[in-house]
Amino acid sequence: EVQLVESGGGLVQPGGSLRLSCAASGFTFSSYWMNWVRQAPGKGLEWVANINQDGSEKYYVDSVKGRFTISRDNAKKSLSLEMNSLRAEDTAVYYCSRRFAAGKNFDYWGQGTLVTVSS
Amino acid sequence: EIVLTQSPGTLSLSPGERATLSCRASQSVSSSYLAWYQQKPGQAPRLLIYGASTRATGIPDRFSGSGSGTDFTLTISRLEPEDFAVYYCQQYGTSPLYSFGQGTKLEFK
Repeated sequence: EVQLVESGGGLVQPGGSLRLSCAASGFTFSSYWMNWVRQAPGKGLEWVANINQDGSEKYYVDSVKGRFTISRDNAKKSLSLEMNSLRAEDTAVYYCSRRFAAGKNFDYWGQGTLVTVSS
Repeated sequence: EIVLTQSPGTLSLSPGERATLSCRASQSVSSSYLAWYQQKPGQAPRLLIYGASTRATGIPDRFSGSGSGTDFTLTISRLEPEDFAVYYCQQYGTSPLYSFGQGTKLEFK
């Protein structure tokens, strides 16, 4: 069974940093692109970043470029999102998701971890 | 930047009725990369349709997708109580790499 479990969320002050993790199981992690998607409270979905199978390609939404870094450890079957210079507008539930092999969309999602940026 | 606009914002229907949800793109998108997701409160999104019209694994056949170019539709033929949720369309393409519609809330009438 495919499972994605996020961790690392919490309350952080504006300008602070946080590192999110996503533990994957039930599939060959190293064979898939992986993504982070976020959802602000009561709002819609926003794609944040993705990374290819060996970590050599990374893409970001403009609003997080230069502040967030996506990475992965295939040996540990883990995906990470390093978030720096956090702003109030980064407050959201952050989901880890898998891009499925047959296309570009996301077939499995974790349950999410909440990041709150507030003083 | 491709913007996806979903309509209506809220759709009020009863179980057994047919639901038609629209997703319109600001410019043409590839049908191969147009997807629909369902999200229930407190849960992660679930992939329903990809490639504009292909049901994901385990999705009932009352869900169907259609469309091309800039206009896409998700149809639920006969609503079941568990179908009341928020639905999002998504495209893969140019900057941003992925974009989502703002969602359609399907609620009990």
